[in-house]
Amino acid sequence: EDQVTQSPEALRLQEGESSSLNCSYTVSGLRGLFWYRQDPGKGPEFLFTLYSAGEEKEKERLKATLTKKESFLHITAPKPEDSATYLCAVQGYNTDKLIFGTGTRLQVFP
Amino acid sequence: DADVTQTPRNRITKTGKRIMLECSQTKGHDRMYWYRQDPGLGLRLIYYSFDVKDINKGEISDGYSVSRQAQAKFSLSLESAIPNQTALYFCATSEGFEQYFGPGTRLTVT
Repeated sequence: EDQVTQSPEALRLQEGESSSLNCSYTVSGLRGLFWYRQDPGKGPEFLFTLYSAGEEKEKERLKATLTKKESFLHITAPKPEDSATYLCAVQGYNTDKLIFGTGTRLQVFP
Repeated sequence: DADVTQTPRNRITKTGKRIMLECSQTKGHDRMYWYRQDPGLGLRLIYYSFDVKDINKGEISDGYSVSRQAQAKFSLSLESAIPNQTALYFCATSEGFEQYFGPGTRLTVT
């Protein structure tokens, strides 16, 4: 069964304090791994798609990396506006569906 | 204007009532999805549609039905609402692998 586990559940950072969020997955043939950002009361906002181990994608202070078992979302020198819940999802080759993790709630304090 | 819109944004209804949630998109995507989000459980797929004539059940379709009225419109119905259907509901669209979400409908069943 395809599964996604995100850790930690919650993370509090001081502004400028870099850190990483983890997404561990099991899937029978990875078609893609997806990162989303969700602000309170809003829909998830697409950030990145990673397709194969070793791939990296960057956007402003965020960098996503992928191995055969997990993905990391690295946040460099975060700002308070980076505060949100970050969701990870996977899609396997034998399915049309995304399987989501429960997210990491990030709070960045000034 | 938003690419994916959902109506209503908030709804309070009573047990046993029929309710419809509507989703419209201007992205021109063929694929549309309905998810529910509950604290601690993440996003779970209710139904999805790859075109007007194609409707598929997701992992939690019991108690729900859908209608794809046109490429741009996908409605979710609760025939007889129950309190454990209280949740945040999201519509999403996709063309490739990435899914794009609407702003959500907060539904409360009393």
